[in-house]
Amino acid sequence: DAGITQSPRHKVTETGTPVTLRCHQTENHRYMYWYRQDPGHGLRLIHYSYGVKDTDKGEVSDGYSVSRSKTEDFLLTLESATSSQTSVYFCAISEPQLAKNIQYFGAGTRLSVL
Amino acid sequence: KQEVTQIPAALSVPEGENLVLNCSFTDSAIYNLQWFRQDPGKGLTSLLLIQSSQREQTSGRLNASLDKSSGRSTLYIAASQPGDSATYLCAVLTGANNLFFGTGTRLTVIP
Repeated sequence: DAGITQSPRHKVTETGTPVTLRCHQTENHRYMYWYRQDPGHGLRLIHYSYGVKDTDKGEVSDGYSVSRSKTEDFLLTLESATSSQTSVYFCAISEPQLAKNIQYFGAGTRLSVL
Repeated sequence: KQEVTQIPAALSVPEGENLVLNCSFTDSAIYNLQWFRQDPGKGLTSLLLIQSSQREQTSGRLNASLDKSSGRSTLYIAASQPGDSATYLCAVLTGANNLFFGTGTRLTVIP
């Protein structure tokens, strides 16, 4: 998984509770991303970061916030979880200055909101 | 908005057969196109990346082609094996370093 660790790997929570997912990388890549994967939709970008404290919204950012205080860590927070946020969440990293600019993915976090 | 479509959604083939997976995208202004493999319950593994200036890339039994002007890519798998069974995803990289994914083709290779 190219030095990417997602935690937790599985989480069950209740509607209305806050949830934070963590992505940790050891590759020193500048860009980090959070995606969600749902049946029939493929992977969709939630938020991404292009450096420490530099973040931007993706296609499906409503209800999510992110923070990046260190190069290696990118946090995704669901301020008040809803059942529609039940999904598999993937973190990815990339370094555009490298020749191929490939995105490498973590193993995913399966989140169930009851 | 970029839209990526993969056809077919599922495919079953006998072992040893050659096969082609298709990917199409609506906006030809892309930087590159990636093919990924995803096993059930797992993350994504990058298989091949084709830069927008390239026509094809090869890795072992895999060959990916890109026709940017028509918005199409194909992934050719030669001499399929049961271990090739997985979901194959295609994704295009646009400005702002955003990847847009198709919904994938689920491949089953029957021994």
